[in-house]
Amino acid sequence: DAMVIQNPRYQVTQFGKPVTLSCSQTLNHNVMYWYQQKSSQAPKLLFHYYDKDFNNEADTPDNFQSRRPNTSFCFLDIRSPGLGDAAMYLCATSRGIIGTEAFFGQGTRLTVV
Amino acid sequence: TQLLEQSPQFLSIQEGENLTVYCNSSSVFSSLQWYRQEPGEGPVLLVTVVTGGEVKKLKRLTFQFGDARKDSSLHITAAQPGDTGLYLCAVSQGAQKLVFGQGTRLTINP
Repeated sequence: DAMVIQNPRYQVTQFGKPVTLSCSQTLNHNVMYWYQQKSSQAPKLLFHYYDKDFNNEADTPDNFQSRRPNTSFCFLDIRSPGLGDAAMYLCATSRGIIGTEAFFGQGTRLTVV
Repeated sequence: TQLLEQSPQFLSIQEGENLTVYCNSSSVFSSLQWYRQEPGEGPVLLVTVVTGGEVKKLKRLTFQFGDARKDSSLHITAAQPGDTGLYLCAVSQGAQKLVFGQGTRLTINP
């Protein structure tokens, strides 16, 4: 059974129209991550939560925001998507201990038209 | 500046050949992980190495952590088409932040 679930798998949004991607986990992990992955590139960390503590990467655009209302759910909000935001968005969780495994969802592929 | 440098970035070889890919850094790490990502899926953990000089084997895959814990290699023996994918090394910065290298995109041709 899937332990990190992302919805939807595919999302098409219009240029400038706000969009929200969702992630849920059944692992009860403290840490949840959002990564952006563009074609043929490695995942790039956008931000992560340790419980409710939010940690933003310095180079994450202000256009990207996140919410974690409880342990199980985390959302990625893109306020005004641009064509350059088209990518695979990956959610992951971990126990927050060095060297422990990160579990990834299948990702949401975002297309901006 | 990239924390983890992976090489080569792209590799295409024939089924049955051997290959090695590398993950290098100027920093010392307490542990290092290798993930494989298949198209349309999220990365999946292959191995975690924690001790300098450590060698771990996973079927035809052999992982080594450098003595100084700054680098790692992944060797695949007798590559098969099912080995095709994006191989990513990753380290933890602090307990929470997981950072990836650029990845090696491996294609095994039948």
